[in-house]
Parts: sequence; structure tokens; C-alpha cells
Amino acid sequence: DAKTTQPTSMDCAEGRAANLPCNHSTISGNEYVYWYRQIHSQGPQYIIHGLKNNETNEMASLIITEDRKSSTLILPHATLRDTAVYYCIVRPHSGGGADGLTFGKGTHLIIQP
Amino acid sequence: DAGVIQSPRHEVTEMGQEVTLRCKPISGHNSLFWYRQTMMRGLELLIYFNNNVPIDDSGMPEDRFSAKMPNASFSTLKIQPSEPRDSAVYFCASRNRRANTEAFFGQGTRLTVV
Repeated sequence: DAKTTQPTSMDCAEGRAANLPCNHSTISGNEYVYWYRQIHSQGPQYIIHGLKNNETNEMASLIITEDRKSSTLILPHATLRDTAVYYCIVRPHSGGGADGLTFGKGTHLIIQP
Repeated sequence: DAGVIQSPRHEVTEMGQEVTLRCKPISGHNSLFWYRQTMMRGLELLIYFNNNVPIDDSGMPEDRFSAKMPNASFSTLKIQPSEPRDSAVYFCASRNRRANTEAFFGQGTRLTVV
């Protein structure tokens, strides 16, 4: 059962902000939203996570709606190296009985020069 | 830190042969995960260990697959006998469960069974 829904693919011009949406309408109160990305031929890479407040780090910003049913990952100034598959994952932060990550199909983000 | 180290990076073997994939987690991490990625099924969790103990192996496809973690710095995933449908990229990941860090992935092993 899919816990998140993401567009299959998106394009973004280099230098512009890339906004990647994710729907997680069945998210539970103790579940966080995690974002990972996978650049071609590499392992997945952690980007950011959050519970209900907006979060920002050196890689990206995460905007979570007030009802927590959706979120948006923002890459503020996309570069060609940001071309990757981006995965939105919901899970309890402390892991509990499900420490592993459940990956969906993700969004293939293509940064255009 | 060298990150999660997997070996070999590429493996080509004949059907029926035994294959062993290796993983060295990040020092100090006490959780280790094995994933498999194929075009058809995407990224799937096969098994994970906490403190060297297997916790959940429900993702292991069948008895031909086995995983061990003899100590905190080494794990293996063995396929015996291998079949062409086992061809995939196998990723190992580790995290510090005590400190609740995110998971760090290795570069993967691309396995081709002919």
C-alpha cells in the first residue's frame, strides 16, 4: 500500500527553484516526512526530514502543510547535479518496529541547462 | 569517514553459482540494512540488523538468500544458488539507531547472473 504519491517526473531550469510535491494523506501523528534522492548509479542520499514545522538545511527546504497531508521539497537554486530520482517517505522517526525505509517510485527530476 | 563500503562493485556470475556480497558499515553505526533495486520492483528492503542481530528478514525473497553480521563492522549477503532473476543492484545502508541518525547508503553492488 502506497503511503505517498509523487509525480513520476518533473523538469526544472538550471538556476531556478525546483519544487517537488508529495501527497501523504494517510500520515499518522507520529510519522515524519523524509526525503531521499538517488543520483544515477549511486546509492540513495538523505536530504531532509520534518514532522510538522518547515525545515531547512544546506541542501533543501521542506514545507509541510498544516494538516500534514502533503509537503513540498524545495531545491532553491537547482543545478545539473541535482538531476536525480527524489523519494518522499513517511515513517516514525524512532523507527520502532519498522526501521527500514519503504521507497516508492519517486519523482525523476531533470534539470535542464 | 569513508562511508558505507560495499564490495565488489560489480559481479558477473553464472546461474547456479554462489554469490557473496560484502558490506562494511560506518563505524559506530548499530543498524545495517540490505536493499535490492530492480527496474520492475524499485528499491526493496531485504533484511536489517540491529546490534548485529537480524530483526526483520521478511523481505528476503526465498531460502536461496541469507545474510549474516558476525560483528559490528561487517555483513554479508549470500545467494546460493544464484538465478538470472537475482540480477539487480544490491545496496547496503547503516545508521546510528541510538543517535537516531538518517540512513547512509553504500554505492551498491551490481550483480548480473547469466
